[in-house]
Amino acid sequence: GAVVSQHPSRVICKSGTSVKIECRSLDFQATTMFWYRQFPKQSLMLMATSNEGSKATYEQGVEKDKFLINHASLTLSTLTVTSAHPEDSSFYICSASRAGMDTEAFFGQGTRLTVV
Amino acid sequence: AQSVTQLGSHVSVSEGALVLLRCNYSSSVPPYLFWYVQYPNQGLQLLLKYTSAATLVKGINGFEAEFKKSETSFHLTKPSAHMSDAAEYFCAVSDGGATNKLIFGTGTLLAVQP
Repeated sequence: GAVVSQHPSRVICKSGTSVKIECRSLDFQATTMFWYRQFPKQSLMLMATSNEGSKATYEQGVEKDKFLINHASLTLSTLTVTSAHPEDSSFYICSASRAGMDTEAFFGQGTRLTVV
Repeated sequence: AQSVTQLGSHVSVSEGALVLLRCNYSSSVPPYLFWYVQYPNQGLQLLLKYTSAATLVKGINGFEAEFKKSETSFHLTKPSAHMSDAAEYFCAVSDGGATNKLIFGTGTLLAVQP
């Protein structure tokens, strides 16, 4: 099956620092990757859609300068939370899809970010 | 624009009882519909999906869902609940376009009582 690996699973960082989260498709080429944010006991909120080699498309209300997304290859996308603050603490989940082959996206295990 | 509505943020059933989780969708194009399960601090696992083939879809772990266009519904059922079914369940819709962008419902937390 299609496997998406997200790293790290948990990260604690100090306020004002930046943290990078990686999302890798292990056994397929992901033409599109998605980044979601999930608050406790809430649904997944789509933050942005990224296509390999092009700029990410951010959803309304998501700060592109704060949440930097890079999709440099067909197997890797990264989300960098810049100048993190405690309110950025959340569960971040990525998913990946391969155009023309599936009607579904495959999810990573998620990253629990805690900013102290 | 597409959306899904999940009725009931919390559902509690007894072990062995029927599980029914409700999902209604809104879409201007024929939708693709999905049910995902999420265990604490984990990602999402696909239970089943509807992609315009058979309206009754069977998924993993004994779950199934029926697409009813007239009711714009895609309710998830399981005849007999197990303790291991306790989790958060999300209904999602996409337009089946090239990117497979998913729009999620608010989720239903299923509790299974012994």
